[in-house]
Formats: sequence, structure tokens, C-alpha cells
Amino acid sequence: GDSVTQMEGPVTLSEEAFLTINCTYTATGYPSLFWYVQYPGEGLQLLLKATKADDKGSNKGFEATYRKETTSFHLEKGSVQVSDSAVYFCALNENDDMRFGAGTRLTVKP
Amino acid sequence: DTAVSQTPKYLVTQMGNDKSIKCEQNLGHDTMYWYKQDSKKFLKIMFSYNNKELIINETVPNRFSPKSPDKAHLNLHINSLELGDSAVYFCASSPETSFHNEQFFGPGTRLTVL
Repeated sequence: GDSVTQMEGPVTLSEEAFLTINCTYTATGYPSLFWYVQYPGEGLQLLLKATKADDKGSNKGFEATYRKETTSFHLEKGSVQVSDSAVYFCALNENDDMRFGAGTRLTVKP
Repeated sequence: DTAVSQTPKYLVTQMGNDKSIKCEQNLGHDTMYWYKQDSKKFLKIMFSYNNKELIINETVPNRFSPKSPDKAHLNLHINSLELGDSAVYFCASSPETSFHNEQFFGPGTRLTVL
């Protein structure tokens, strides 16, 4: 079945550092891909999404490109802030079957 | 206005009790879900439900049952609570029509079974 694998955390960075969180997926067809963010004590919020190959999702300085050839959807941000500290989930949706990765905890230190 | 709301936010109860968690969405969505998030933040789908079909994750014990009084509500009822049921439970919803849709999550209910 479909699945999502993302890099294990925790990830600790200094403010203004470059962020990459890797995500790869397996799917039978052509899923939509998502990144969700969960801030401490809150529910999941959609960060960005891409619905077809080569689409780039972007929001709040975060970007991810749907790479069909490598089945990847890596999350990047050029300069992280303390307020970006959260758990990030990669996810795919194929035929209304949403699968989440295990989550990656990011801590950004001032 | 909150799009997907859950009550209560925190629930502490004894083993063996029966409890319910309520979920409401005001987005007009057709499909609703329940997820369980364990202490390691791993999210697991428990149920998905629309007005046509209930899909149950086969690993969910039958002590858990979703109840939908109407399209905007999907409550989670849990019988004979066990210690291992302690987790954060998230409700979510999405439009039915497209598999490209994201899901909108509620704030979560932290259940602690003593």
C-alpha cells in the first residue's frame, strides 16, 4: 500500500540556518502530496501542497517540489526562525486515503 | 470561527470507563475522520466516514465506534477504556469530491487513562 517515509528527528538548528526535511513516498498512482505542521499543543495545519509532478508548493518561506522521478517531496526553508519550531508531517492522499509520515520535530535555537 | 472543533480538549478517566469525544465541522464537508496520535507523534487513521460509507482501520479495536448524528458531526465513543488508549485524538474533515483535497484538523483531545 501507499506509504510515506520522512527523515527521523529531532532536528536542531540555529536561527537563520537552512532547513531540509526529506520525504519520500510509495504510491500506486499519482497522489497529491502535503506538508503539515503541528505547533506545540495544537492540531495539524496544512503548510503546503502539490497535486502533480513538478508542482512546487510554497508558504511562509517553506517550499517543496513534487518529484515523480525520485518519488520525493523534500521540505526546504532558506532561513528558519525560532517560531518555526514544531513537528512537520509529510503526507500523501490517493483516492481519499491519506497517509502520514512519522513526523520530524524541528527545534530552532536563537 | 473554528472550522473543525472537538470537545473536550482534555479528558482524564479511569480504566474500564466509557467515554465520548465530540467533533463538529462547519465547512460543509462530506467526509470526516478520526486519527490517533501516540506519544511519539505517529498519526494513525482510525476511521473515515461520509454519508455513504464507514471505513474502519482493521487494527482499531471494536471498543471504538464512530457515531454520526448528522453530516457535520462525527463523535468517537470508546468503551471499556484501557491504559493503551491514552493518546491525542484528532478529528479531521475534507470535501468528498476530489482526492487532491487536504484534510482540515481539529485541535485534538488529549485522553489520559489512569
